[in-house]
Amino acid sequence: GAGVSQSPRYKVAKRGQDVALRCDPISGHVSLFWYQQALGQGPEFLTYFQNEAQLDKSGLPSDRFFAERPEGSVSTLKIQRTQQEDSAVYLCASSLEGAHSYEQYFGPGTRLTVT
Amino acid sequence: DAKTTQPTSMDCAEGRAANLPCNHSTISGNEYVYWYRQIHSQGPQYIIHGLKNNETNEMASLIITEDRKSSTLILPHATLRDTAVYYCIVSLYGSARQLTFGSGTQLTVLP
Repeated sequence: GAGVSQSPRYKVAKRGQDVALRCDPISGHVSLFWYQQALGQGPEFLTYFQNEAQLDKSGLPSDRFFAERPEGSVSTLKIQRTQQEDSAVYLCASSLEGAHSYEQYFGPGTRLTVT
Repeated sequence: DAKTTQPTSMDCAEGRAANLPCNHSTISGNEYVYWYRQIHSQGPQYIIHGLKNNETNEMASLIITEDRKSSTLILPHATLRDTAVYYCIVSLYGSARQLTFGSGTQLTVLP
């Protein structure tokens, strides 16, 4: 079946522009995560949704970052007034919910370059 | 979640076993050891997880020491497609938890 998809795969933004990154999780997956991965580093947690509820946004680096999942499926990560330090790969992951659910399925990521 | 320590890089000859170590000396009794890998330009991929018993699946084996302070991921017959960054993660059980990735081990399988 289809995995997690993300779009666009690549995004170049001028400093100060707003960007929106989309994640289509695996159908039926309750949990959705966003991670940020800087060059040469491991992914770092940004935020977590259970269905449409954003249960944890402790990893969002500033109030310029905003995520939503209004109908409990597709999610959008929005970055306002982009800065150079926002350049990174943004990864989305989804997972089932339940006592025997342990695996997160990752999308290919969106590479954001802020110039 | 407990911290993990992994070597920065390792090489392995194609067809040989790749043994990737991980130290997690502060692991608590209800924390699991998870392994993910990330092939270049792809998202991370789950490999295996375990609590205290050794585990094996179609991809790899996981050996956890009796004191649970370290573990080893074994790829029994490494291929060129196994070249990736391998992450050892310690976390409570359940998918509804954020994963705390470290820097991982860059495994290069050599022809």
